[in-house]
Amino acid sequence: QQQVKQSPQSLIVQKGGIPIINCAYENTAFDYFPWYQQFPGKGPALLIAIRPDVSEKKEGRFTISFNKSAKQFSLHIMDSQPGDSATYFCAATKNQAGTALIFGKGTTLSVSS
Amino acid sequence: GAVVSQHPSRVICKSGTSVKIECRSLDFQATTMFWYRQFPKQSLMLMATSNEGSKATYEQGVEKDKFLINHASLTLSTLTVTSAHPEDSSFYICSAWLAGGNYEQYFGPGTRLTVT
Repeated sequence: QQQVKQSPQSLIVQKGGIPIINCAYENTAFDYFPWYQQFPGKGPALLIAIRPDVSEKKEGRFTISFNKSAKQFSLHIMDSQPGDSATYFCAATKNQAGTALIFGKGTTLSVSS
Repeated sequence: GAVVSQHPSRVICKSGTSVKIECRSLDFQATTMFWYRQFPKQSLMLMATSNEGSKATYEQGVEKDKFLINHASLTLSTLTVTSAHPEDSSFYICSAWLAGGNYEQYFGPGTRLTVT
């Protein structure tokens, strides 16, 4: 009930490609789904987040697609660049103060030039 | 976005000594902070939830006497690794909730602990 399953574990795309990272959750009480980007030796940085009342959210080159009935959400990176090479984590939680995030296992993205 | 800082960024200590790591929310107040541990190429593992003015809540399997957490103010939480051993070497990251419409959670830059 508490797990968030993330795939793929690693992903290699060429510059300009559109990598897609998928996550699935089980707990229907979850109502906040953020994505974090982490570079080696750094803390995770909040990239974009979505609530279940919308099916898609875009911020710059990053888009979250959300399918409430399937309990799945995904991150799309448009026009990917070498600087996007990082580890991406999806997460889910009940959106209230004091509630910890449940993280996926992460996806290591490499964008080749 | 909101800024969370950690100090020190790196620390090397000898086995048996204690190390304190500070986590500060620089431009907002955080009633709740979280402490995570991350091993190389792995996800973040929640260690404990730190609430201002009260005792921390530890996750199953985390030794509360070894990892002492204090949240004395709305902007500062500390993690003390007591009697550190080489297996405690890891990347420790704190985070804080920014209260508001979405309760966004912001992470510190992490502290690399190496126990020799």
